[in-house]
Amino acid sequence: ETGVTQTPRHLVMGMTNKKSLKCEQHLGHNAMYWYKQSAKKPLELMFVYNFKEQTENNSVPSRFSPECPNSSHLFLHLHTLQPEDSALYLCASSARLAYDNEQFFGPGTRLTVL
Amino acid sequence: QKEVEQNSGPLSVPEGAIASLNCTYSDRVSQSFFWYRQYSGKSPELIMSIYSNGDKEDGRFTAQLNKASQYVSLLIRDSQPSDSATYLCAVIDSNYQLIWGAGTKLIIKP
Repeated sequence: ETGVTQTPRHLVMGMTNKKSLKCEQHLGHNAMYWYKQSAKKPLELMFVYNFKEQTENNSVPSRFSPECPNSSHLFLHLHTLQPEDSALYLCASSARLAYDNEQFFGPGTRLTVL
Repeated sequence: QKEVEQNSGPLSVPEGAIASLNCTYSDRVSQSFFWYRQYSGKSPELIMSIYSNGDKEDGRFTAQLNKASQYVSLLIRDSQPSDSATYLCAVIDSNYQLIWGAGTKLIIKP
């Protein structure tokens, strides 16, 4: 595997379900990110981890819970979601948090909440 | 509220012509700027980064930065149908996080 991988690629869940999204980066990077992308809107940064430590939580509802066990893996745990949470969830990584923060994205998980 | 503005388009350009994509940003102290390409149904892909005023060229792509005017642009020479995509502009903030524009949809007409 190369680059950034995400599983699953598609997910349909009910509002009472619990599911998890997984991201893995094979680039040797130290920073990882979760973004939400909705149609016609800018990418919304959700969480940032730098060397496994969470550095950003942009007022994300508690029904989204991130986990970063090491610098290569990132999870997003989902529970009691709302239909408006349906979106493309993108994981990204970068070498470091600095001025040259070039981020590389995984393919995304298309989430539909019924 | 720091903002990055892009014309949503669609911008329609004939094949072989130059496509010009523009982006303005509100944070005067921003130092780093990025252009990403996103095909429909795919994730964003980094095309270029630019950190200094002036032009930076990479193949058919040229990024132009004018910090005084808070303006960054992307030129695509000899446009091809495969360049049809949404182009996202991103600007770094004081916490080294990217602030994103909503993107410009580019259509290259054969």
